[in-house]
Amino acid sequence: DVKVTQSSRYLVKRTGEKVFLECVQDMDHENMFWYRQDPGLGLRLIYFSYDVKMKEKGDIPEGYSVSREKKERFSLILESASTNQTSMYLCASSLWALAGGPGELFFGEGSRLTVL
Amino acid sequence: SQELEQSPQSLIVQEGKNLTINCTSSKTLYGLYWYKQKYGEGLIFLMMLQKGGEEKSHEKITAKLDEKKQQSSLHITASQPSHAGIYLCGADMEYGNKLVFGAGTILRVKS
Repeated sequence: DVKVTQSSRYLVKRTGEKVFLECVQDMDHENMFWYRQDPGLGLRLIYFSYDVKMKEKGDIPEGYSVSREKKERFSLILESASTNQTSMYLCASSLWALAGGPGELFFGEGSRLTVL
Repeated sequence: SQELEQSPQSLIVQEGKNLTINCTSSKTLYGLYWYKQKYGEGLIFLMMLQKGGEEKSHEKITAKLDEKKQQSSLHITASQPSHAGIYLCGADMEYGNKLVFGAGTILRVKS
């Protein structure tokens, strides 16, 4: 079965701390994505990657960075967490579609981050 | 995303009733994806539409993409408590490799 695993379901951090959110997929997918989800705003794309060591900014990359050293792993980094980064973070992966488009995204369970 | 508007924002229906959720784009849609989310969990893929006029069904859920490819509707027939959750539409607007999502529609089904 297809699986996207996020390392932590719940985290509580303090303002200014460095935060790592890890995501691993076991489907050999090329594309991986990080979204954040907030009430009334839906999912907003932070960063995505279509290959190892490649990354592209999404709609809201400020305050975040990412790392993709291996195909199966995509990490989201908050260099200095702030209270406005309290949110649900969702990782997803998809196959590169020959016909174009991102194809079906497979999502992890989400990581709920609270920054105090 | 304001590029993708979902309506209604929330919906409460009596079990057994039909309902429709709409997703309207400000741009041409190259692909439209419907997902369902249980509170606090990840998203589950429901179906994908790519061609104008396309219609797909799965169990009691039917989704359509209109001819001009700027709007999709999700219709649930004879709703059940298991249909409750958040429904999100996601769109490929640039024929690229990322999806833009709507804000979601919260569905509650009363027994």
